[in-house]
Amino acid sequence: IAGITQAPTSQILAAGRRMTLRCTQDMRHNAMYWYRQDLGLGLRLIHYSNTAGTTGKGEVPDGYSVSRANTDDFPLTLASAVPSQTSVYFCASSDSAGGPSEQFFGPGTRLTVL
Amino acid sequence: GQNIDQPTEMTATEGAIVQINCTYQTSGFNGLFWYQQHAGEAPTFLSYNVLDGLEEKGRFSSFLSRSKGYSYLLLKELQMKDSASYLCAAGDSNYQLIWGAGTKLIIKP
Repeated sequence: IAGITQAPTSQILAAGRRMTLRCTQDMRHNAMYWYRQDLGLGLRLIHYSNTAGTTGKGEVPDGYSVSRANTDDFPLTLASAVPSQTSVYFCASSDSAGGPSEQFFGPGTRLTVL
Repeated sequence: GQNIDQPTEMTATEGAIVQINCTYQTSGFNGLFWYQQHAGEAPTFLSYNVLDGLEEKGRFSSFLSRSKGYSYLLLKELQMKDSASYLCAAGDSNYQLIWGAGTKLIIKP
């Protein structure tokens, strides 16, 4: 693979269920991010990781958790999904050593919580 | 607080020039990014400005004024494929990106 991939592409989920969105990059980027994109609101940062083994909270972290066991993978887990988590989720990565740099985005996961 | 403002929607004619404005307010400032996003797709990088002035890249140019908290993206010789949303994002003191809601650009023949 080249770049950044996400799975699944789309998912319909019953409220209360647990769900993990997967993200993998092969660019050896140290920083990774999870965003949600809702109409009229733009991209909002959920969680980020500046390097393997560390994570941080973004603007809208409630109801989500992440882990970064290695450089390549950055899964996002919804412990108990609620309808307000219906959104398009984008994973991104960047080689951000020493400052901001271009973020590369995965194709997105369209999640519907009923 | 941190805020990015850009117009919600703009319309332009094929072959013309369009300027998309963005104003920003962030805690610290580490550069201004522009991304393009076609409907149903992921954002893709267009430009990055950290110093005042104009950066030109083919048909696209981006301008930054740090003292005014202002940037614009200039698209020349518009083509139908330029119909997309254009996202402005500013890097803050934590090197995170603060994103605008995007400007939907509609190109008419």
